Amino acid sequence: GNSVTQMEGPVTLSEEAFLTINCTYTATGYPSLFWYVQYPGEGLQLLLKATKADDKGSNKGFEATYRKETTSFHLEKGSVQVSDSAVYFCAQGAQKLVFGQGTRLTINP
Amino acid sequence: EAGVAQSPRYKIIEKRQSVAFWCNPISGHATLYWYQQILGQGPKLLIQFQNNGVVDDSQLPKDRFSAERLKGVDSTLKIQPAKLEDSAVYLCASSLPSGRASDTQYFGPGTRLTVL
Repeated sequence: GNSVTQMEGPVTLSEEAFLTINCTYTATGYPSLFWYVQYPGEGLQLLLKATKADDKGSNKGFEATYRKETTSFHLEKGSVQVSDSAVYFCAQGAQKLVFGQGTRLTINP
Repeated sequence: EAGVAQSPRYKIIEKRQSVAFWCNPISGHATLYWYQQILGQGPKLLIQFQNNGVVDDSQLPKDRFSAERLKGVDSTLKIQPAKLEDSAVYLCASSLPSGRASDTQYFGPGTRLTVL
């Protein structure tokens, strides 16, 4: 069935470090791909999305490219800030949204 | 623009008791979703409504869970009787009327349920 596998956390980085959170998926067809973020004490919110192969989603300095050949949608940011500390969820939407297990990111000053 | 509203925010009950959660979606959003998020896991879809009709309830444990969306706006999710393994955060989300999986879903703050 459709599934999403994310890089296991927790991930701890220093401010201004480069971030990569890996995400791969299995799906029939060509799903849309999403990254959602959950800040402490808040609900899930969409960070970025891509709806077809080779599309790049971007927001708040984060980027992810839809790679059909490797069935991946890795999240990257060039220079993280303390305010980026949150739990990040990769998700795929074919018939319905299927989430990965989440990756907790902590950024230290 | 007001977001998705949920209540209560927290609920503690004994096993075998019943509980109900309420959700009010963003105005104009015809599609409404209920998810269960167990600690350390991603959200899992329980049920999806398009207006007041059910689109997908394949992962809803129908022997104990029920949901309704009267008049195509507010929705209620009920658990009766609750089990220990139902302890989780219950998330409500809504999206624009198309109901496509590519649509952005907007999530409420969730209800954290603890079953003792």
